[in-house]
Amino acid sequence: SSELTQDPAVSVALGQTVRITCQGDSLRSYYASWYQQKPGQAPVLVIYGKNNRPSGIPDRFSGSSSGNTASLTITGAQAEDEADYYCNSRDSSGNHRGVFGGGTKLTVL
Amino acid sequence: QVQLVQSGAEVKKPGASVKVSCKASGYTFTSYGISWVRQAPGQGLEWMGWISAYNGNTNYAQKLQGRVTMTTDTSTSTAYMELRSLRSDDTAVYYCARDGYAVTDLFDYWGQGTLVTVSS
Repeated sequence: SSELTQDPAVSVALGQTVRITCQGDSLRSYYASWYQQKPGQAPVLVIYGKNNRPSGIPDRFSGSSSGNTASLTITGAQAEDEADYYCNSRDSSGNHRGVFGGGTKLTVL
Repeated sequence: QVQLVQSGAEVKKPGASVKVSCKASGYTFTSYGISWVRQAPGQGLEWMGWISAYNGNTNYAQKLQGRVTMTTDTSTSTAYMELRSLRSDDTAVYYCARDGYAVTDLFDYWGQGTLVTVSS
């Protein structure tokens, strides 16, 4: 079982806004990073830290955090955003081990 | 440009070992760490462990302690992940990813993945 919990599946209408959440005790102490993975491809970092986007990631992707929950928001979802999304952080053991959420399958309708 | 290029696919029998390589280029290798992440068929991502290319410190996932060893060769900017006593549930795509140099932090560049199949 994962120490970071994500909804398995979320859907959004084309052009609408969707929020994908990640819950875990360690998120009270550490930021989450978010990864997009399309079938047959390696994951891609889309959000890290408080709300930072790597170069080349569209500004419709944003991140936020409150208490034990981190969120990835896509404002104006596009067809190409359909993918699996994973959050990652350190676990709650204090040993600085990494942990991923179970992933959220995003469907753009 | 930053690149991580991994070794090719492997087929191993149960009980054997596998060693996957990850050659880095386009950045100062010793200023970062490398994490290894695996993904079983149809499943999610699993963090396996981290190694600092700066000083060789490692931190492994608890479930893999004793079976996994991560090393680096700074002369060739290459990271290695060896997994021993392979089982069928170790069948997965194995990725290396650039990470923090002091602790696992975030994975900003990824290798292309290496499929390891464990089958008798």
